Amino acid sequence: DQQVKQNSPSLSVQEGRISILNCDYTNSMFDYFLWYKKYPAEGPTFLISISSIKDKNEDGRFTVFLNKSAKHLSLHIVPSQPGDSAVYFCAASEYGNKLVFGAGTILRVKS
Amino acid sequence: DADVTQTPRNRITKTGKRIMLECSQTKGHDRMYWYRQDPGLGLRLIYYSFDVKDINKGEISDGYSVSRQAQAKFSLSLESAIPNQTALYFCASAGTGTSSTDTQYFGPGTRLTVL
Repeated sequence: DQQVKQNSPSLSVQEGRISILNCDYTNSMFDYFLWYKKYPAEGPTFLISISSIKDKNEDGRFTVFLNKSAKHLSLHIVPSQPGDSAVYFCAASEYGNKLVFGAGTILRVKS
Repeated sequence: DADVTQTPRNRITKTGKRIMLECSQTKGHDRMYWYRQDPGLGLRLIYYSFDVKDINKGEISDGYSVSRQAQAKFSLSLESAIPNQTALYFCASAGTGTSSTDTQYFGPGTRLTVL
């Protein structure tokens, strides 16, 4: 059973608008969450992370929100740019051990 | 230069052949990982190593073995390749800091096709 789920396989957004990518998890012991971005023919690259003691972390155009009671996190990209088009993976870990990844969401930003 | 390198980048092989995928990192990290990516399944952990003498099975280790030859090198072997091992394979490394976990840095991937 998947412990980290990204229920939207794809998302299409107009340039300049907000992109919201969602992720749900089932393991209440997860204490650290990350988002990775992956372009074709490249490995995933780290984007942003959040500890379970926080509910928001911001880095430029990227903000991650964590709702522990709902076991839900989301990544907001504002404003979206065509270069943001990629696959986004949500990942979670327990006590710095190993990462569990979601299936990914393909984001397409249309110009 | 890339911090995590993988060789080969692409490989086509036949069922029953032994295959080795190699990974090197120049970041001085202690921790190294092997994942496979399949469509609709994300990245799944095959094996991981927290130092040269520490090897651990991941979620899907059956049919695979690994060797940690040095801190910087971590290779993945398929002893007898089968078609359902056709996938994109990623190596990653991470340091050991004071945070609860450390960001993993990924190589560019190896696309393996088993006929």
